[in-house]
Amino acid sequence: GENVEQHPSTLSVQEGDSAVIKCTYSDSASNYFPWYKQELGKRPQLIIDIRSNVGEKKDQRIAVTLNKTAKHFSLHITETQPEDSAVYFCAASIRMGWGKLQFGAGTQVVVTP
Amino acid sequence: GAVVSQHPSWVICKSGTSVKIECRSLDFQATTMFWYRQFPKQSLMLMATSNEGSKATYEQGVEKDKFLINHASLTLSTLTVTSAHPEDSSFYICSARRDRDTNQPQHFGDGTRLSIL
Repeated sequence: GENVEQHPSTLSVQEGDSAVIKCTYSDSASNYFPWYKQELGKRPQLIIDIRSNVGEKKDQRIAVTLNKTAKHFSLHITETQPEDSAVYFCAASIRMGWGKLQFGAGTQVVVTP
Repeated sequence: GAVVSQHPSWVICKSGTSVKIECRSLDFQATTMFWYRQFPKQSLMLMATSNEGSKATYEQGVEKDKFLINHASLTLSTLTVTSAHPEDSSFYICSARRDRDTNQPQHFGDGTRLSIL
């Protein structure tokens, strides 16, 4: 089955700096990679996703890159703001199993003013 | 669009009680819904995949007789925790996907915090 590893587990950045979170996956059949942001006690919210036929996607301050050969994908947040503080989860979906998601362990991001 | 509603948001009950949690897609038809469990400071663990009109598929280690899932319509799936015990206390979250395209995002409900005394 799919295994997703996520690093780092915690990330502290100064406001205005960039944050990068990296994930690796094991199943080469994985074809969809979403990123979720979860604030304490709340639901995960989709912030960006990428499909296997695309290498990079950007949405304002957030970007995701995918390297299918190396089986890793990364989340980049530029010009971080205090409201970016949350837990971020990467996930990988495979076509079999109705596209169920395998989540990474999560990264606690703390942006200090 | 893509709003998922989950009720109740918080449940506190005695050991041995059965608890039903509802997950509704409010503005779209969800052919597939997923149920997750999340312990404090941990990731989301998939419990089961629910397809409308068919039996749910449970992940390894999840007792299907303990966690009953019913996906009776394209907008509603329910999870019933039967004879709940303190170890079942957790944050349960559902998600729904708009259609059968497995490359479409899952949209999450607000979650249900279950506390068994």
